[in-house]
Amino acid sequence: KAGVTQTPRYLIKTRGQQVTLSCSPISGHRSVSWYQQTPGQGLQFLFEYFSETQRNKGNFPGRFSGRQFSNSRSEMNVSTLELGDSALYLCASSLYGDYGYTFGSGTRLTVV
Amino acid sequence: QQQVKQSPQSLIVQKGGISIINCAYENTAFDYFPWYQQFPGKGPALLIAIRPDVSEKKEGRFTISFNKSAKQFSLHIMDSQPGDSATYFCAASINGNKLVFGAGTILRVKS
Repeated sequence: KAGVTQTPRYLIKTRGQQVTLSCSPISGHRSVSWYQQTPGQGLQFLFEYFSETQRNKGNFPGRFSGRQFSNSRSEMNVSTLELGDSALYLCASSLYGDYGYTFGSGTRLTVV
Repeated sequence: QQQVKQSPQSLIVQKGGISIINCAYENTAFDYFPWYQQFPGKGPALLIAIRPDVSEKKEGRFTISFNKSAKQFSLHIMDSQPGDSATYFCAASINGNKLVFGAGTILRVKS
């Protein structure tokens, strides 16, 4: 059974640019959550999508957005990148969005 | 009130010893407490989880102890092995969603 797949694995972007990260959940999983991991702030919840609807949102500025497609694949977008957005962005999926989230290996974003 | 405090920050244990990591929370609405293990270059992997109606849960060498009145829970790794060397995160959530993570514990098991 394939796990959670995140692409790309690594990204380098310049301040002010925007970026889109992709996540393919485990087959059959309908909930996708996104987390940001940094050395200073640790793991922080960004948002959760279930059946194409954003169901939960963390405390991040509006520059961070996401969406989910009908096949449960999800994308996350960050606009007007700042140096502080450099982080490992993790996607996690679960069957119904309640328990047992499985994480992907993440996308390492570096903003220069 | 959403914080989960984790200690210690780092831990060195001899092979075969017991590793103990502690977490404390404030929000009494939390009803799901998982532990995750993360290796370098990988995402966190779910190790074991507990609900507040149970005081202890064991899976292989991993045990969660839960103290509802003290709002604390801990992970015990018995017979620690070098392959257990990783970063461990406790977390808490309501209904399993929107996980609030502790800061992490870097475990090193010396052979």
